[in-house]
Amino acid sequence: TQLLEQSPQFLSIQEGENLTVYCNSSSVFSSLQWYRQEPGEGPVLLVTVVTGGEVKKLKRLTFQFGDARKDSSLHITAAQPGDTGLYLCAGQGPMDKPGGTSYGKLTFGQGTILTVHP
Amino acid sequence: DTGVSQDPRHKITKRGQNVTFRCDPISEHNRLYWYRQTLGQGPEFLTYFQNEAQLEKSRLLSDRFSAERPKGSFSTLEIQRTEQGDSAMYLCASSLITSGWGLMKNEQFFGPGTRLTVL
Repeated sequence: TQLLEQSPQFLSIQEGENLTVYCNSSSVFSSLQWYRQEPGEGPVLLVTVVTGGEVKKLKRLTFQFGDARKDSSLHITAAQPGDTGLYLCAGQGPMDKPGGTSYGKLTFGQGTILTVHP
Repeated sequence: DTGVSQDPRHKITKRGQNVTFRCDPISEHNRLYWYRQTLGQGPEFLTYFQNEAQLEKSRLLSDRFSAERPKGSFSTLEIQRTEQGDSAMYLCASSLITSGWGLMKNEQFFGPGTRLTVL
């Protein structure tokens, strides 16, 4: 069972469309990070959200952290072929599992593979 | 380039052989992490160091795996007696923690990874 569930797993859209990727958990995280990964490369950090309800914008990308710090979403407006890649959410923690808070490791979702067709 | 670097980028080995990977973190970062990623999955945590101290190890890290960060700078990950199930991308990341807020945020920056194939 994944601690962080990402949906959808695959997304194939046309250039110019909007999309939203979801990252859900029953656990609370101290922070949540979104990464983008190209084939054969390491993940590249896009944004970190820490405060419940926080919204951050990065050009056409909008990131939101849920009020209870258990879920997050990534919304892309007017997608472009250059947005193609694997999008990963990663939570630091969790904070409410046996063993207490782990301020160190990231727990990743399984990723969303986005393909934007010209 | 002052990002995280990893060496080698690719390693092909035969089952039963030992392999060692190196990671050089961003120079001022005090934390260094190792993750493993298999095809179609997100990275899974293996272990991390703060300076030279290894603070946490995952249950995924069997006795055949050992990681070191002897001087608090670069780190090595060794896999002894490799098995086909060890085939994966091994990722290193680093972060700088200087305060409580930094601990909450803990932004980790990843290297390009080492792709291991065990035949």
